[in-house]
Amino acid sequence: TQLLEQSPQFLSIQEGENLTVYCNSSSVFSSLQWYRQEPGEGPVLLVTVVTGGEVKKLKRLTFQFGDARKDSSLHITAAQPGDTGLYLCAVAGGTSYGKLTFGQGTILTVHP
Amino acid sequence: NAGVTQTPKFRILKIGQSMTLQCTQDMNHNYMYWYRQDPGMGLKLIYYSVGAGITDKGEVPNGYNVSRSTTEDFPLRLELAAPSQTSVYFCASRLYGGTGSYNEQFFGPGTRLTVL
Repeated sequence: TQLLEQSPQFLSIQEGENLTVYCNSSSVFSSLQWYRQEPGEGPVLLVTVVTGGEVKKLKRLTFQFGDARKDSSLHITAAQPGDTGLYLCAVAGGTSYGKLTFGQGTILTVHP
Repeated sequence: NAGVTQTPKFRILKIGQSMTLQCTQDMNHNYMYWYRQDPGMGLKLIYYSVGAGITDKGEVPNGYNVSRSTTEDFPLRLELAAPSQTSVYFCASRLYGGTGSYNEQFFGPGTRLTVL
């Protein structure tokens, strides 16, 4: 059983469309991170959410942490081909060692 | 700064062979990690280190070994390679920011390993 369940697993859309990716769990977390990974590269941090109900914006990307801190969503407005990639949510263990547990990821393809 | 560098980029091994995946970071980060990523899956933690001379197991350590003799380097050793170790391996580093900090992990570009 995965600690973090991401959905959908695959998403193929046209440029200009909006989309939402979900990261769900039955566990409560003190923080949650979203990473983006492009082919042939390592993941790159997009955002860290910490407070229940928190909303963070990064240009056309909006991240929300659930009120109960068990889930999170990533919404992209007017997707562009440059948004194509693998989106991963991750949580750190209960220590300060920063060990990350990742969801299985959402592969997003934005067609011109 | 080069960040986190990994060598080699690609490698093909035969069953039973051994190899070392190299990882170096130039950011003076105390924490370093090794993850593996299988197709359609997220990353899984193999080993981690909180400083030179200190290492510990992650979620999937079997078949691997690590050492950390310097702050900069964190090599991953595969002994007796098996097809199940075919994967992409990522090294990452992070600066310790105190208890409860959420500092970013910086990842290398990965090593794609195939065991035949």
